Amino acid sequence: AQSVTQLGSHVSVSEGALVLLRCNYSSSVPPYLFWYVQYPNQGLQLLLKYTSAATLVKGINGFEAEFKKSETSFHLTKPSAHMSDAAEYFCAVSGDTGGFKTIFGAGTRLFVKA
Amino acid sequence: DAMVIQNPRYQVTQFGKPVTLSCSQTLNHNVMYWYQQKSSQAPKLLFHYYDKDFNNEADTPDNFQSRRPNTSFCFLDIRSPGLGDAAMYLCATERRGVNPYEQYFGPGTRLTVT
Repeated sequence: AQSVTQLGSHVSVSEGALVLLRCNYSSSVPPYLFWYVQYPNQGLQLLLKYTSAATLVKGINGFEAEFKKSETSFHLTKPSAHMSDAAEYFCAVSGDTGGFKTIFGAGTRLFVKA
Repeated sequence: DAMVIQNPRYQVTQFGKPVTLSCSQTLNHNVMYWYQQKSSQAPKLLFHYYDKDFNNEADTPDNFQSRRPNTSFCFLDIRSPGLGDAAMYLCATERRGVNPYEQYFGPGTRLTVT
């Protein structure tokens, strides 16, 4: 079975500061890992994905994430936060037995202070 | 632009009055998903179609049904909405076999039950 844990339901940073959103996963098979962003009253938008190619994955809007198998982590970072980054972020894992269920983390709400 | 469209964006229905939410896609993806998302929670998978094959999650109430008349359209029917069914309903698509597990979400339909 697969699972995802996002550490911190709320993260607050100042504009221009580093963004770090933490995600740890559990999977008995090589995982597909994703970060999605959700703005209020919108659907989820794919930020980036890991599919066993490069361990450092670059996504949209300046975000990137590093897959660390030894730590079972897939943390999301952005060097400099912008006000427009304020949103809910979901880490997700898929790939178990070729099924169709994606396991989402509980989400982390990012606040950006001016 | 290729996209996932959900109509309506906001739907108000009365307790017990059947309601249908619609989703269409121009991506020609072979998988379509329906999720329920309640406030400050992760999306919860209700069911999916892989081409014409329908799969219901074990914990999806019988009150929820779905139809996929063709590749482009998928509908969510709630036969007798209860107050607990008020939520955001998200449709997502995936091109299994090309970009497995990578989901494209529509903007969602927010359902209010009065």
